Amino acid sequence: QSALTQPASVSGSPGQSITISCTGTSSDVGYSNYVSWYRQDPGKAPKLMMFDTSFRPSGVSDRFSGSKSGNTAYLTISGLQAEDEADYYCSSYTGNNILHYVFGSGTRVTVL
Amino acid sequence: QVQLVQSGAEVKKPGSSVNVSCNTSGGTITSYTLSWVRQAPGQGFEWMGRIIPLLGLTNYAQQFHDRVTLIADKSTNTAYMALSSLRSEDTAMYYCARRRGNWFDLWGQGTLVTVSS
Repeated sequence: QSALTQPASVSGSPGQSITISCTGTSSDVGYSNYVSWYRQDPGKAPKLMMFDTSFRPSGVSDRFSGSKSGNTAYLTISGLQAEDEADYYCSSYTGNNILHYVFGSGTRVTVL
Repeated sequence: QVQLVQSGAEVKKPGSSVNVSCNTSGGTITSYTLSWVRQAPGQGFEWMGRIIPLLGLTNYAQQFHDRVTLIADKSTNTAYMALSSLRSEDTAMYYCARRRGNWFDLWGQGTLVTVSS
């Protein structure tokens, strides 16, 4: 059972905006801004899409944005494109020494 | 261009151990902190532990700490994850990942470990 809760699926039409939520607790998501997001295509390794809640790595489209409110983080994809179809996972640093990082259950993004 | 190159798939019997390697191709392992993360079929990710090869420092997630060992061979730029007392629930894809700040910016291709009698 994953530590962070994400919706199993989110869908949208091309050009629309969608938002994926990632809900944790005050011990992880709410603890700091150290939330990151990863994209995973079938059979592939994850790819970093967002770090420190709202920072995009070089090469990631500015259609992706991140935010956080309390114990919930969000990844928004604007101008949805067919190529955005994939599984998306959030992760949070916890600050405790027995489990440094926790991950979300994953969200399948479907472009209708 | 640094890549993390992992060893191939393994099939193991319950109760046995597995050793997965991760080579920092194109880079020096002592420049990095490496974590190991696993993903059971159709599931999310679990952080297992991390190693700082420069310092020889390791930290393990509590649920794995008595079964997992992380080491790094600086001479070959290779990190190893050993998991013992395997059970069917350990069937998963195992990844090494480079930590930057508090995120993982580079991942290995994954090593599938199947535990089956």
